[in-house]
Amino acid sequence: DADVTQTPRNRITKTGKRIMLECSQTKGHDRMYWYRQDPGLGLRLIYYSFDVKDINKGEISDGYSVSRQAQAKFSLSLESAIPNQTALYFCATSDLPGGLTDNEQFFGPGTRLTVL
Amino acid sequence: RKEVEQDPGPFNVPEGATVAFNCTYSNSASQSFFWYRQDCRKEPKLLMSVYSSGNEDGRFTAQLNRASQYISLLIRDSKLSDSATYLCVVMNSGYALNFGKGTSLLVTP
Repeated sequence: DADVTQTPRNRITKTGKRIMLECSQTKGHDRMYWYRQDPGLGLRLIYYSFDVKDINKGEISDGYSVSRQAQAKFSLSLESAIPNQTALYFCATSDLPGGLTDNEQFFGPGTRLTVL
Repeated sequence: RKEVEQDPGPFNVPEGATVAFNCTYSNSASQSFFWYRQDCRKEPKLLMSVYSSGNEDGRFTAQLNRASQYISLLIRDSKLSDSATYLCVVMNSGYALNFGKGTSLLVTP
């Protein structure tokens, strides 16, 4: 089974709809991240969380919100989706600094979101 | 100016060739450096970390020049399976990864 899973894998929605993307991990990592990837722009950080009680904005948080329901779960919400939020969304996890996989981020398979 | 700059390619090389990718970064305080590999429509995966002394992993060699703020990746004896996009990644603080846009490699028979 995959260590980092994302649901749904693909979603088509309409402008103005509320969308939630979910991420679960079995790696036991405290740190979780949400990125979006657009053609020609690379990956950009939306939000990150270092533990259940910690939420931080990334480079492009406007229009998004997150919830860290448990160590293993980190969800991303688009309260009112707009077409320029059409992108590939990745969740990632990482160990604490000094851990066995120090600094490496492990990515989920991605969610392809299309907003019409 | 983008913090991490890479030549997007594509690089088209025959099997067995040696190919090199370069990357520059703008933040002189950057702490850690990586190359990630991303296959088409898949998630990025760590290829290798990059250390100041340079490091090698099989056919892959990574170099870091802090003075020039320059990172390189050399792939020797290219295989068809090396075809992918290679992402140069820089970490500035304890968590934030800054990704380059990636360099596309196609290895042909």
